Amino acid sequence: AQKITQTQPGMFVQEKEAVTLDCTYDTSDPSYGLFWYKQPSSGEMIFLIYQGSYDQQNATEGRYSLNFQKARKSANLVISASQLGDSAMYFCAMRGPRDRDDKIIFGKGTRLHILP
Amino acid sequence: AAGVIQSPRHLIKEKRETATLKCYPIPRHDTVYWYQQGPGQDPQFLISFYEKMQSDKGSIPDRFSAQQFSDYHSELNMSSLELGDSALYFCASSSQDAGAREQYFGPGTRLTVT
Repeated sequence: AQKITQTQPGMFVQEKEAVTLDCTYDTSDPSYGLFWYKQPSSGEMIFLIYQGSYDQQNATEGRYSLNFQKARKSANLVISASQLGDSAMYFCAMRGPRDRDDKIIFGKGTRLHILP
Repeated sequence: AAGVIQSPRHLIKEKRETATLKCYPIPRHDTVYWYQQGPGQDPQFLISFYEKMQSDKGSIPDRFSAQQFSDYHSELNMSSLELGDSALYFCASSSQDAGAREQYFGPGTRLTVT
């Protein structure tokens, strides 16, 4: 069975600092996808970044990068130069092999607070 | 760019009533997923459809049913509502042809059962 673990329930970070949100996962399938979503207080689920298990390079999207360490089964999200608008709940998530199991399972989330 | 559309955005129902949630996927997306997020919880997968056929089923109560129509929009029908059904319901869509690398979520429907 697949499992996502986020060990940081909450984090406080000073504005403009870099942030690393931890995520470890467990799966027996060699093919899978890893996601990070941002959920602000308004409730919408915003897609941030995706990493496929066979992708050779770490995914990057603007200020977001995914530190993918396959052997350690970790997929940490790095936010560079944090901004006040980054304050939100962040979910790490994964899906199984696309042709057999593409539903997403989520971790419990990390609530990030950016301090001015 | 067009996003996933969900309606209504907010819904208040009483116990034992029925509710219908609608989802309009991103154009050319062929797969729709429904998730339920209780207060303070992570989203839980309910059900998914690919090309109008149910493709996977999660922890969806028997009181709920869903379908995907010929125009790819989907509806989640909920009957005999209970207080515990109060949650944020998300619809997400993806394209299998594009590799289903991303699932884009709609803004959600916040259902309150009183």
